[in-house]
Amino acid sequence: DSGVTQTPKHLITATGQRVTLRCSPRSGDLSVYWYQQSLDQGLQFLIQYYNGEERAKGNILERFSAQQFPDLHSELNLSSLELGDSALYFCASSEDRSNEKLFFGSGTQLSVL
Amino acid sequence: TQLLEQSPQFLSIQEGENLTVYCNSSSVFSSLQWYRQEPGEGPVLLVTVVTGGEVKKLKRLTFQFGDARKDSSLHITAAQPGDTGLYLCAGGRNTDKLIFGTGTRLQVFP
Repeated sequence: DSGVTQTPKHLITATGQRVTLRCSPRSGDLSVYWYQQSLDQGLQFLIQYYNGEERAKGNILERFSAQQFPDLHSELNLSSLELGDSALYFCASSEDRSNEKLFFGSGTQLSVL
Repeated sequence: TQLLEQSPQFLSIQEGENLTVYCNSSSVFSSLQWYRQEPGEGPVLLVTVVTGGEVKKLKRLTFQFGDARKDSSLHITAAQPGDTGLYLCAGGRNTDKLIFGTGTRLQVFP
């Protein structure tokens, strides 16, 4: 158990819909990262937050947004969903702003039908 | 653009065999990490190497960072079924985002 909690574990929805994925980092970790994993693209970095503020941005679509709340949990919002958004979405956390040691949650499997 | 290429992409071997997985890039990284991911779970950090030429051992696993800090290798001695999984390298540049490699899927048969 990494200490990072992601909910829900599975999500099935239709095209055009909006969903919210939730992540609770390890106790004491200030950074939260979101990654998307698909068979053809591998593990792609989406966005990083550190202590409530956006720290780094990767290949995140404009239809996607995220935030980190004062209690340090984070949410990833995916809207106007398309079939191609079907993937595993992982949250990871680390103690500080560096990428030295990431702890990953078990992921949310999103299926867009 | 995938900056970190891993080879081989797939590897199926018998228990007891040795294997090496490679992680190559044309870019220099300040650190290189290796993760293992099992089905239904997130990646788990195995090791971080930060110095060019550095070698780290973790039981039967040996990790090496290239002298120029552009490549890395993972060698497993006497592989066991429990080593089965997806192995991912990841390169970092100080506080810049971590870039993950294309992955090597290893299957070890009893």
